[in-house]
Parts: sequence; C-alpha cells; structure tokens
Amino acid sequence: DCVMTQTPLSSPVTLGQPASISCRSSQNLVHSNGNTYLSWLQQRPGQPPRLLIYKVSERFSGVSDRFSGSGAGTDFTLEISRVEAEDVGVYYCMQATQFPRTFGQGTRVEIK
Amino acid sequence: EVQLLESGGGLVQPGGSLRLSCAASGFTFSRYAMTWVRQTPEKGLEWVSTISAHSDGFHYADSVRGRFTISRDNSRNTLYLQMSGLRAEDTAIYYCANDVGDVFFQYWGQGTLVTVSS
Repeated sequence: DCVMTQTPLSSPVTLGQPASISCRSSQNLVHSNGNTYLSWLQQRPGQPPRLLIYKVSERFSGVSDRFSGSGAGTDFTLEISRVEAEDVGVYYCMQATQFPRTFGQGTRVEIK
Repeated sequence: EVQLLESGGGLVQPGGSLRLSCAASGFTFSRYAMTWVRQTPEKGLEWVSTISAHSDGFHYADSVRGRFTISRDNSRNTLYLQMSGLRAEDTAIYYCANDVGDVFFQYWGQGTLVTVSS
C-alpha cells in the first residue's frame, strides 16, 4: 500500500500569514496514463471532508485562490497564502493513483 | 447542487449486520464510480470500497474484504454498503463520495455513524 506521510501534524498560524503542509508518498504517484492523482481535502470542525485540490494543483470549484498545490512524484505541498479564520480545521492529502486509496494522517491548522 | 445523503447507521452487536445507503442527487449518478470512506479519531480517514459506474468493477480494503459488499441501484440513484461480521474496529463514521472522471472524492455526504458494541 502507498503510505502518505504529512508534516507537520499541527500548524499554529497567525491570521493573514501563510501556511504550508507537506505530504510525502511511499510510492511514485504518477499513473500509467501520465496523471498524478494527489488531492488535498479540508475538514472543518464538525463537517465532512471537502475537496480543495485535485491532480496535484487543480483547484476544485468554489475553492479560494488562497489555496494552491504543487509537487511531483512523491513530494507534494499545500500552501495557504493568507490564513483566515475559516481555514481552521484538519487538512489531508490523499492518493487515488492506485488501490487501496490512502490518506495522510492529517494536519491541524489553528490560529495562534 | 450535488447532494449525498447517507443513512442506515446505528448500534449493532459484534458479529451483526447493517446496510448503509447513500442517496445521490444533483449529478448523473449512473455515469460515475462511487466510494465509501470511514473515519475514526484513532485511524483517521480510511478508504473502504469503490464501485464502478455500472457495477462491473469493485475494490475493497483488506480490512473489510469478505465481510462488506458494495452495490448500487442506478435506477434509484442509491449506493449501498452491506456490512456483516461487524467488529468493534468497524465503529466509525461512514461517508460516501463520488468520483467524477479524474476528480476523485469530489463531493462527500454528511456521514452516518456505525457503532459496534455489546
């Protein structure tokens, strides 16, 4: 199975400042079709997960442009350009290149 | 507006059975694969099973294979998860999500809680 490892596990951030979360996969996530199916999800308190980024850097419909994804192969990053109060929650990376689908442990973003 | 609404969760004894449902609306259900994911505080998010659009492809996590069965009724826009031989470690919130082309887990339902306890 492809293990997804996120760092840090907790990220206290000042409002208006940037935040960055890293995700490393134990296997290369490039699919045989050439796409890389690495996604980022946000889970606000008491809510189900919500898709933010898919295929490494594609922002999903309705997602703020403060969120951006980058990376390739086995190393990926989610960046929040200016953290707002509504960004508080847990962020997960996940891969859909292969079965079983796997998720990172989650990174908790909180306001300092 | 895409909506996914899970139901069927509850308290069940170890070894028991339960069937979860996920009613879908707001998209062409019959065209896309569907997935069940569960979540616990201890293990986080765990993929459970995926079914193809026309029920000709199935995938299961090792932890549920042989005990859980995923199915769908495209005429009713509904996804199912039949769970049997339930164990305490199956206790979780169960979510359904849709896979739309290259966009996996595009939308999620609100989840339904399954508790396995005597």
